[in-house]
Amino acid sequence: AQSVAQPEDQVNVAEGNPLTVKCTYSVSGNPYLFWYVQYPNRGLQFLLKYITGDNLVKGSYGFEAEFNKSQTSFHLKKPSALVSDSALYFCAVRDKDTGFQKLVFGTGTRLLVSP
Amino acid sequence: DGGITQSPKYLFRKEGQNVTLSCEQNLNHDAMYWYRQDPGQGLRLIYYSQIVNDFQKGDIAEGYSVSREKKESFPLTVTSAQKNPTAFYLCASSMAGGAYNSPLHFGNGTRLTVT
Repeated sequence: AQSVAQPEDQVNVAEGNPLTVKCTYSVSGNPYLFWYVQYPNRGLQFLLKYITGDNLVKGSYGFEAEFNKSQTSFHLKKPSALVSDSALYFCAVRDKDTGFQKLVFGTGTRLLVSP
Repeated sequence: DGGITQSPKYLFRKEGQNVTLSCEQNLNHDAMYWYRQDPGQGLRLIYYSQIVNDFQKGDIAEGYSVSREKKESFPLTVTSAQKNPTAFYLCASSMAGGAYNSPLHFGNGTRLTVT
């Protein structure tokens, strides 16, 4: 069965500094990986996805993510954090080869960007 | 604007009462999903539907029921058999067949409180 781990409950970073939110995954086949962001009392918004090809994926709002197959990781990054980036971030995975479309989410990482 | 509408935003019920959460989408998506979100647990899949008149149980279907009579609508009923119904409920949809590279689109959720 596929699974996702987000090892940090919270990440703190100062505005203007680079940020990284970590995600590792486990699937039996080839992964499809996603990042979503959630603001308070709202639904999740799609940020970016990795399907195949380049290991560095660019997404919305200046975010990018690096896929590393050997480390089974898909860390979310941004070169310069904004206070408005403060939110809850979820990593998610689908297993391409099992024929099952369920998307499995991590437990989320709260990002706090201080002014 | 295309999107997913969940109503109501807040819902209060007494223990022992069934309650139905509404989810409507105008994205012309075939697949629809219900997730439950609890603090520190991420999102857990309750039910999903790939096509009208068909749906499958997710990881935590006990105490819940759904119907899919129309492509646009996927209501969730929280029954009195659900032991801990207080939670934030999120409805989502995705493209036909749950195409593996298709991200989910989420509604803004319904916060259910049962006392």
